[in-house]
Amino acid sequence: SQQGEEDPQALSIQEGENATMNCSYKTSINNLQWYRQNSGRGLVHLILIRSNEREKHSGRLRVTLDTSKKSSSLLITASRAADTASYFCATGRPSKGKLIFGQGTTLQVKP
Amino acid sequence: NAGVTQTPKFQVLKTGQSMTLQCAQDMNHEYMSWYRQDPGMGLRLIHYSVGAGITDQGEVPNGYNVSRSTTEDFPLRLLSAAPSQTSVYFCASREGLAGVETQYFGPGTRLLVL
Repeated sequence: SQQGEEDPQALSIQEGENATMNCSYKTSINNLQWYRQNSGRGLVHLILIRSNEREKHSGRLRVTLDTSKKSSSLLITASRAADTASYFCATGRPSKGKLIFGQGTTLQVKP
Repeated sequence: NAGVTQTPKFQVLKTGQSMTLQCAQDMNHEYMSWYRQDPGMGLRLIHYSVGAGITDQGEVPNGYNVSRSTTEDFPLRLLSAAPSQTSVYFCASREGLAGVETQYFGPGTRLLVL
């Protein structure tokens, strides 16, 4: 079964608004990563947060991690039409180094 | 660097046919993996490799074989294609083995099995 579950499955907002996506997972992890996928393309790494970190920023991206609740959130501030894509969380397991992906959140930013 | 490359981009097979999806990376990464992506299912790990000569199964390995004779190449073989293998396949690589490194993805191979 999938390790990560994203919520919501789909999100539609206006340009300039903030977009928040959530990810929940089931077992212990050593890191959590967020990836973006534009339609018909491969995945691109956005940001990684380690299990001992609570918050991380990268440009307009803000990621939080709550290991007690086994959840993470990705906030995109001041969204742009170019942010339209699917966003996936991926959890790194302590052993074997596998990355397990969730089902993704499809974000549509309307101009 | 070209990064991670995959061929072909698109393939149509008949049930029972065999084929190999090619994947290559020029970043000297030890770790390589194959995922399939289906609507509503996210990405599921098929097989992975932690170095030349070493492979292991992921979440959905049945119907697929892999080998890793060189660091650069990690082909995925379908021995007898089935309609359930219709999917988009992504190859990925990363430098380290701990799972904390950025993973780089290829552009994908879209496979249709009739």
